[in-house]
Amino acid sequence: SAVISQKPSRDICQRGTSLTIQCQVDSQVTMMFWYRQQPGQSLTLIATANQGSEATYESGFVIDKFPISRPNLTFSTLTVSNMSPEDSSIYLCSVSTTVDGGGYTFGSGTRLTVV
Amino acid sequence: KQEVTQIPAALSVPEGENLVLNCSFTDSAIYNLQWFRQDPGKGLTSLLLIQSSQREQTSGRLNASLDKSSGRSTLYIAASQPGDSATYLCAVAGSNYKLTFGKGTLLTVNP
Repeated sequence: SAVISQKPSRDICQRGTSLTIQCQVDSQVTMMFWYRQQPGQSLTLIATANQGSEATYESGFVIDKFPISRPNLTFSTLTVSNMSPEDSSIYLCSVSTTVDGGGYTFGSGTRLTVV
Repeated sequence: KQEVTQIPAALSVPEGENLVLNCSFTDSAIYNLQWFRQDPGKGLTSLLLIQSSQREQTSGRLNASLDKSSGRSTLYIAASQPGDSATYLCAVAGSNYKLTFGKGTLLTVNP
């Protein structure tokens, strides 16, 4: 299965600033996803990162707040913009090999605290 | 809209006990179902993947079953150990390949 390197692993940020999270995959994958896990909650899909085109966002998430880049089939970034304490969460990237019969692999997560 | 429910929300057992975690989903038109483990503040580790055409998968002390028609899956852990303590998440993939997660079962195995 694919191996994902996610950075940073954690960060403490001031409100009003932005943080960019990176995910690097060791193989080319078609589907890459970004999730948020708020404290004590399960995972919620933010968006699907599409290579060479704009990301597809889920209801409740917008591009201005969570811009995503996917320049190639092995790399993606998620930016959390104009942060507030409510953005304090774990953010995770995931890749899928479902079309090949595989499952989902997740990065180790980025634990964000906004103060 | 797919909804995934996990029961119980929390479980505390003595070491050595066999246990069952339950997962149910509302839309049986799934592509696959995957069980994950999450340690506090960490990412997800995949435990077992069951394709929609399969009935069960086994890995070591873990066995997962799938009854797609009734919208249920179970994760059986044999001879539990303190190192098994974690949150266990059930997730189903629909035809659009997007995962829908349950809220998880917090398992504590006491020495």
